[in-house]
Amino acid sequence: ETGVTQSPTHLIKTRGQQVTLRCSSQSGHNTVSWYQQALGQGPQFIFQYYREEENGRGNFPPRFSGLQFPNYSSELNVNALELDDSALYLCASSIPTDRANTIYFGEGSWLTVV
Amino acid sequence: EDQVTQSPEALRLQEGESSSLNCSYTVSGLRGLFWYRQDPGKGPEFLFTLYSAGEEKEKERLKATLTKKESFLHITAPKPEDSATYLCAVQALRGYNKLIFGAGTRLAVHP
Repeated sequence: ETGVTQSPTHLIKTRGQQVTLRCSSQSGHNTVSWYQQALGQGPQFIFQYYREEENGRGNFPPRFSGLQFPNYSSELNVNALELDDSALYLCASSIPTDRANTIYFGEGSWLTVV
Repeated sequence: EDQVTQSPEALRLQEGESSSLNCSYTVSGLRGLFWYRQDPGKGPEFLFTLYSAGEEKEKERLKATLTKKESFLHITAPKPEDSATYLCAVQALRGYNKLIFGAGTRLAVHP
């Protein structure tokens, strides 16, 4: 049990629609990040939030956006969905330290775009 | 460019047959190297963090080692419940703490 919970677990959307995925971080973890994992691939970093501000972003277009709330919960929003957006979306939380801090993942949200 | 390559892509073992998984990495300053286990349809489960060359960590039948260019995950006398995908990731010194993952090794252990 990592203490990172995500919702919904599965959803199906139509191309062109918008989707919001939600994450509740482990207590005390003030850094949250989102990853996209396509079938048979490793997770790809989308972006990271620290104290409600985005402080790092991977190679994803602006239609991928996010929010972090004061209680360290977070949202991932994807606009204008494309078929290639079908993937497992993972939320991860951590406490930043000088050393490589352990990053804990939730169980993910499976998004299918048809 | 920071990069992680895992081999083999898939590995089939008989129960009790020990083996090793490889993770080769290129990173401009290593903050840490992580191993995760991922069961089908689940999120990655944290196993180990290694910080510097020569470091080793163990957990049950798993042992992770680190050199300046690669890491190995040794599995001793595996059981069917060890079947999963094992992911390796690195975190660079510069910037924020994003993880760069390899594609994983799918391990199947048969009775």
